[in-house]
Amino acid sequence: AQTVTQSQPEMSVQEAETVTLSCTYDTSESNYYLFWYKQPPSRQMILVIRQEAYKQQNATENRFSVNFQKAAKSFSLKISDSQLGDTAMYFCAFMNVYNQGGKLIFGQGTELSVKP
Amino acid sequence: NAGVMQNPRHLVRRRGQEARLRCSPMKGHSHVYWYRQLPEEGLKFMVYLQKENIIDESGMPKERFSAEFPKEGPSILRIQQVVRGDSAAYFCASSPTSPRTDTQYFGPGTRLTVL
Repeated sequence: AQTVTQSQPEMSVQEAETVTLSCTYDTSESNYYLFWYKQPPSRQMILVIRQEAYKQQNATENRFSVNFQKAAKSFSLKISDSQLGDTAMYFCAFMNVYNQGGKLIFGQGTELSVKP
Repeated sequence: NAGVMQNPRHLVRRRGQEARLRCSPMKGHSHVYWYRQLPEEGLKFMVYLQKENIIDESGMPKERFSAEFPKEGPSILRIQQVVRGDSAAYFCASSPTSPRTDTQYFGPGTRLTVL
């Protein structure tokens, strides 16, 4: 069974600085998708970034980028120029491409606080 | 294009009552997923439905829980005879076509409190 682990329950960063959130996963599959979702205090789940496992190039979305290490089964999220609005719970998630159900498997989350 | 809609946003039930949670997917989306988030935990998959069909219900508790996505109208997650352990946030997500290629977009969730 696939599992997703986020080893940092809480992190904090000063505004305008850079922070990296860690995520590791376990799977025997070769083709899958990885995601980072953000859950602010409103509790709405918002997609931050998505990575296809067959793509070697790391995904980027403005200030958000990932470091995808397939062999190490690691998928970290880097937030550059942190802003107060980045304060949220961040969840790493895995999807097996060959899973009929499109089931997302989530990690436990990392609570990020951006301090002024 | 409106996002995924869920109602009610907050639902309070007493033990033994029934809870009905509704989800309207984004326009043009025919795939619906339900997830549950217990306090201080990540989201856990419950069920995946297409119109009139349950595709994967491997995350659904065996008793008291059911889900449907009729040809017309929203998807419904029904919890019969609720217990305190059912207190959680329930999220619905939708995608337009194949879940293998499309991102799931989440609704704002329904927070269920069982007294």
